[in-house]
Amino acid sequence: DTAVSQTPKYLVTQMGNDKSIKCEQNLGHDTMYWYKQDSKKFLKIMFSYNNKELIINETVPNRFSPKSPDKAHLNLHINSLELGDSAVYFCASSLGGFSYEQYFGPGTRLTVT
Amino acid sequence: GQSLEQPSEVTAVEGAIVQINCTYQTSGFYGLSWYQQHDGGAPTFLSYNGLDGLEETGRFSSFLSRSDSYGYLLLQELQMKDSASYFCAVSGQNFVFGPGTRLSVLP
Repeated sequence: DTAVSQTPKYLVTQMGNDKSIKCEQNLGHDTMYWYKQDSKKFLKIMFSYNNKELIINETVPNRFSPKSPDKAHLNLHINSLELGDSAVYFCASSLGGFSYEQYFGPGTRLTVT
Repeated sequence: GQSLEQPSEVTAVEGAIVQINCTYQTSGFYGLSWYQQHDGGAPTFLSYNGLDGLEETGRFSSFLSRSDSYGYLLLQELQMKDSASYFCAVSGQNFVFGPGTRLSVLP
């Protein structure tokens, strides 16, 4: 059983397009996250949702918007894609807040051309 | 704000012991976590220290000194499969990862 899954695994698109990445966890966790990992492997938290409420929103462009239809899903919508958005995006979940073990999905490699 | 420092690279041989240090500056500190990431893979949780002292999990141990804003990950009996990047991360007002340390284990 996959604990945290993401789709798609790879995403290649052109500048200006709008795309979405889906994330689902079957662990019954209360908190879900989105991270961006750039080409230098820096991992940065983008969003965190706790019981469907946004509890942290890092200084990311408002072109990025998280959507959580229920506790098990946290999708990421990106509008007007830019070259600098190219990265690997990881979804993660945890039982509670930051001090709890986070389980990461396999990642989505986004390439903007 | 929050900032963390780790060595960028560490190299060791199989069977050896290696220590990866992490220093941090943060406000509202709760604890220090460690994650492992193999090339092309996702980060996986290794340990969490909320209190000062040593936490041991098999071949891996993690240490925290809150007064020194310092922690380390100790890997014993190194194996080839331990070659990966290791990230410390601070839980505080936010959750911030360090820049990562690439460990290469040589035969």
